[in-house]
Amino acid sequence: DGGITQSPKYLFRKEGQNVTLSCEQNLNHDAMYWYRQDPGQGLRLIYYSQIVNDFQKGDIAEGYSVSREKKESFPLTVTSAQKNPTAFYLCASSIDGQGFYEQYFGPGTRLTVT
Amino acid sequence: DAKTTQPPSMDCAEGRAANLPCNHSTISGNEYVYWYRQIHSQGPQYIIHGLKNNETNEMASLIITEDRKSSTLILPHATLRDTAVYYCIVRDRDTGNQFYFGTGTSLTVIP
Repeated sequence: DGGITQSPKYLFRKEGQNVTLSCEQNLNHDAMYWYRQDPGQGLRLIYYSQIVNDFQKGDIAEGYSVSREKKESFPLTVTSAQKNPTAFYLCASSIDGQGFYEQYFGPGTRLTVT
Repeated sequence: DAKTTQPPSMDCAEGRAANLPCNHSTISGNEYVYWYRQIHSQGPQYIIHGLKNNETNEMASLIITEDRKSSTLILPHATLRDTAVYYCIVRDRDTGNQFYFGTGTSLTVIP
């Protein structure tokens, strides 16, 4: 089955630790995205990548880092510099980074930092 | 990208049509209207999108007014599994690189 996988579904970390969230897609999509969702809020873009080895900051990139070494993978690292890391993190992909094509989302990872 | 306005919540009886409105009065010529929904604690699911013509697929119908300043998503026979938050998004097909999800409409389908 084609799709986007995110792991793990739930993640718990202590404050001050970096943590990496996984996102893999087998849709052969060029573009991938990371969003953050807080309770009762819409989605906010963290980073996006339109092609391998390239990525751009979204609206709330501070405290996060990404890499795009392979087309199918776009991991997100939440660093200790992120002041409020507890949130629901969603990864998405689309055929390309232009405006026409819809984005497909993974199931999300709920990160709790205490 | 143009901003959208949606009612915060709606109810619909099971088996009836659910009509979800969206205002996008500042939409421009290159901007498409997209609809997504999000069931609690899951990733958003793409439903449908359109430019100016009405669109229909296996999930829903999208009705866009002639002036394109508003649209309606129609779920023809709502089921309990359609209970979700529905997002209306307007996005420029030439320059858009993200989807701006607002707070959407929380639809509750009542048995």
